[in-house]
Amino acid sequence: NAGVIQTPRHKVTGKGQEATLWCEPISGHSAVFWYRQTIVQGLEFLTYFRNQAPIDDSGMPKERFSAQMPNQSHSTLKIQSTQPQDSAVYLCASSLDFTGDNERLFFGHGTKLSVL
Amino acid sequence: QQQVRQSPQSLTVWEGETAILNCSYENSAFDYFPWYQQFPGEGPALLIAIRSVSDKKEDGRFTIFFNKREKKLSLHITDSQPGDSATYFCAANSGGSNYKLTFGKGTLLTVTP
Repeated sequence: NAGVIQTPRHKVTGKGQEATLWCEPISGHSAVFWYRQTIVQGLEFLTYFRNQAPIDDSGMPKERFSAQMPNQSHSTLKIQSTQPQDSAVYLCASSLDFTGDNERLFFGHGTKLSVL
Repeated sequence: QQQVRQSPQSLTVWEGETAILNCSYENSAFDYFPWYQQFPGEGPALLIAIRSVSDKKEDGRFTIFFNKREKKLSLHITDSQPGDSATYFCAANSGGSNYKLTFGKGTLLTVTP
């Protein structure tokens, strides 16, 4: 079991460019989460999928951020027209089903996005 | 409004000492409190968790003490080792189908040999 796989590990974009971040959850996990981590804000919830269906995107900046889960083996987070304030580590996590005793989140190593 | 607060921001202890990391919360509906450990360049990993029906949870050298009345909890790491040097996050949610964890900003622990 390779754990949650995120690619790329580092991404550098210029202001105004698009960035797409990839996540492969642990096989068999039905819950997939995206979090953003910065020194100032800490870990912030972005969005949540359950069985590939989008359940909650309340943490997503509405205008430029979007997330998809086209199949059970991967999810993408897309940021259009990137801004310097989008610089952060974007963490993907998966969980068996995030209910009852299965609330443990397994995080990937994250993608460090730097917007110049 | 920060719903989960951690203190101190950073803590240095000698090898073999007990490190005490504190956490407090605002939302009375919170009833599940995991602690995550994060090493540089890695994602957080679940270390230990407690539910509000308990006042103590122990796992080896790691113990959570929980005070529901005061809305406070603490993580005690006994016989601290240099390998315990990491950032520790306290988190909370209201359990059941509430999937959205609220994280504190973390405590950076350094264990000096």
